[in-house]
Amino acid sequence: DTGVSQDPRHKITKRGQNVTFRCDPISEHNRLYWYRQTLGQGPEFLTYFQNEAQLEKSRLLSDRFSAERPKGSFSTLEIQRTEQGDSAMYLCASSLSPGNTEAFFGQGTRLTVV
Amino acid sequence: DAKTTQPTSMDCAEGRAANLPCNHSTISGNEYVYWYRQIHSQGPQYIIHGLKNNETNEMASLIITEDRKSSTLILPHATLRDTAVYYCIQKTSYDKVIFGPGTSLSVIP
Repeated sequence: DTGVSQDPRHKITKRGQNVTFRCDPISEHNRLYWYRQTLGQGPEFLTYFQNEAQLEKSRLLSDRFSAERPKGSFSTLEIQRTEQGDSAMYLCASSLSPGNTEAFFGQGTRLTVV
Repeated sequence: DAKTTQPTSMDCAEGRAANLPCNHSTISGNEYVYWYRQIHSQGPQYIIHGLKNNETNEMASLIITEDRKSSTLILPHATLRDTAVYYCIQKTSYDKVIFGPGTSLSVIP
């Protein structure tokens, strides 16, 4: 499968624990995006990278959240001191820029904080 | 925030054409109309995009009005597998995708 892959697909954690998700984009894609989606809502933008540079962060990305893309390939999203409100689907997408190309999304990581 | 408006939900009979409308009255000259859909528990999937001409691919057709303020996504022969939330997005080629609530399409047997 040469699409966007995310790991793990599901994560259950206790409140206050730290969690880290990984995203592997399509190999030649230089842009990588993170989104969060809660039940019944459309995906909400969190942040994006152009190669290894983090170019934009949403105000939704509190200081407990950090994302990295150290070599411009895979990315990680870490949530520290998880709260029940962090329970959501975390989606990763990648695209090729510049150019009028679409973003390809992974299947997401579903986080449940108990 | 999302700049487009779509109906909250629609039904379509299996085998019939599904016509999903979208209003994008504030669209600027360098913004495209993109459509994505999201089947339950999956990531969003790109369908089609266009600037001002009508577009067709193996999944759907996109009809954009001459003034570019609205468009219609057409699924010519809807199947049960087309049941999903459909998102209409206006953006430039280099912008990130910003999703609104979309239209929940139910294809009914």
